[in-house]
Amino acid sequence: GAVVSQHPSRVICKSGTSVKIECRSLDFQATTMFWYRQFPKQSLMLMATSNEGSKATYEQGVEKDKFLINHASLTLSTLTVTSAHPEDSSFYICSALGTLRITEAFFGQGTRLTVV
Amino acid sequence: GQQVMQIPQYQHVQEGEDFTTYCNSSTTLSNIQWYKQRPGGHPVFLIQLVKSGEVKKQKRLTFQFGEAKKNSSLHITATQTTDVGTYFCATREGYSTLTFGKGTMLLVSP
Repeated sequence: GAVVSQHPSRVICKSGTSVKIECRSLDFQATTMFWYRQFPKQSLMLMATSNEGSKATYEQGVEKDKFLINHASLTLSTLTVTSAHPEDSSFYICSALGTLRITEAFFGQGTRLTVV
Repeated sequence: GQQVMQIPQYQHVQEGEDFTTYCNSSTTLSNIQWYKQRPGGHPVFLIQLVKSGEVKKQKRLTFQFGEAKKNSSLHITATQTTDVGTYFCATREGYSTLTFGKGTMLLVSP
């Protein structure tokens, strides 16, 4: 199946700093990428949907100025957590959708963010 | 957008017992997808159903799509410890919308 690579897998940062997480589709063109946040033993919480070349659509309650999403190409989307605080510590996962010929979503490996 | 409700939220079974998770929608779905997320891992696609009344099997896993295309189920026969994880249903609308249920967490005791 298709591969989505997410980097880094783990990051520890100091409070107040920014962290960038990359999500790459390695062997297909991702027309749409999703960013999720997941707390322990809980479901995937959709943060935003991004389509290549356009602004991301954020879910209600997600601060777009804090969680900056860029989808500059059909193979790369980035999520930047700005001015991180301990409450931003979580597991962040991206997923990518291709054209309708590839119907399922492919997930990155996830990034465990710890803000200290 | 469409919403899918998934039950139960959590189930703990003994190895060898069967397990079923259900996914329901108030509207007709064009498709239903199932994913599995192992503890500490990321969701992995299992299967997609698109036809009314469709049934698909993968070894001990049986997936069904209801006749009205408003519900779906995933049944695992004779669970094993390797089945542990969270099972999500999802539905795709068009190019850019994929809606997930909240998942069912399965724990299997040996």
